[in-house]
Amino acid sequence: SQTIHQWPATLVQPVGSPLSLECTVEGTSNPNLYWYRQAAGRGLQLLFYSVGIGQISSEVPQNLSASRPQDRQFILSSKKLLLSDSGFYLCAWTVSSYNEQFFGPGTRLTVL
Amino acid sequence: RKEVEQDPGPFNVPEGATVAFNCTYSNSASQSFFWYRQDCRKEPKLLMSVYSSGNEDGRFTAQLNRASQYISLLIRDSKLSDSATYLCVVGVRTGNQFYFGTGTSLTVIP
Repeated sequence: SQTIHQWPATLVQPVGSPLSLECTVEGTSNPNLYWYRQAAGRGLQLLFYSVGIGQISSEVPQNLSASRPQDRQFILSSKKLLLSDSGFYLCAWTVSSYNEQFFGPGTRLTVL
Repeated sequence: RKEVEQDPGPFNVPEGATVAFNCTYSNSASQSFFWYRQDCRKEPKLLMSVYSSGNEDGRFTAQLNRASQYISLLIRDSKLSDSATYLCVVGVRTGNQFYFGTGTSLTVIP
């Protein structure tokens, strides 16, 4: 069966510090991968998605970037965090947009 | 205009009640439809996919109206454990993307 992992589960970082969040998927090949952010009491905002290694599409221009160095690994990064980067970061995978997405447990980021 | 719109609620209903949520979508290229459930501070989890002919899973019934571009979820005989936020999700052909509603909050009261 397929599983999706995210780490860390929680993170508290000062403004201006770098960020690296990792997501890995097991039990499937060539998944579509997604990074979402959910601010407190808000809906999910799509940040990046990837349909293959090295292929990244950005939905929201900001100080975040994403990379997919391996088929089942998706990384979200920032060189300098802003206060507005605080939120619940969710990684998800799917076979295609015709199929349901499966979410990782998420990383709760607080920028102080 | 938002891609997917939901009434945010909150819906506060007594145990045993029937409650219905609606969701509208704007993209005519939408090809897949889902309801997710999200508990507080947790990730969304798939509740059910929504098929053109409508589908039922126990106490839950989902319907799709492509002509009017809306999706519905009916919960019968509400349980305390049904308390959560329900997200309407639409998948589109172009770009392998999904669009999420902001969610409808449900609290089932004893």
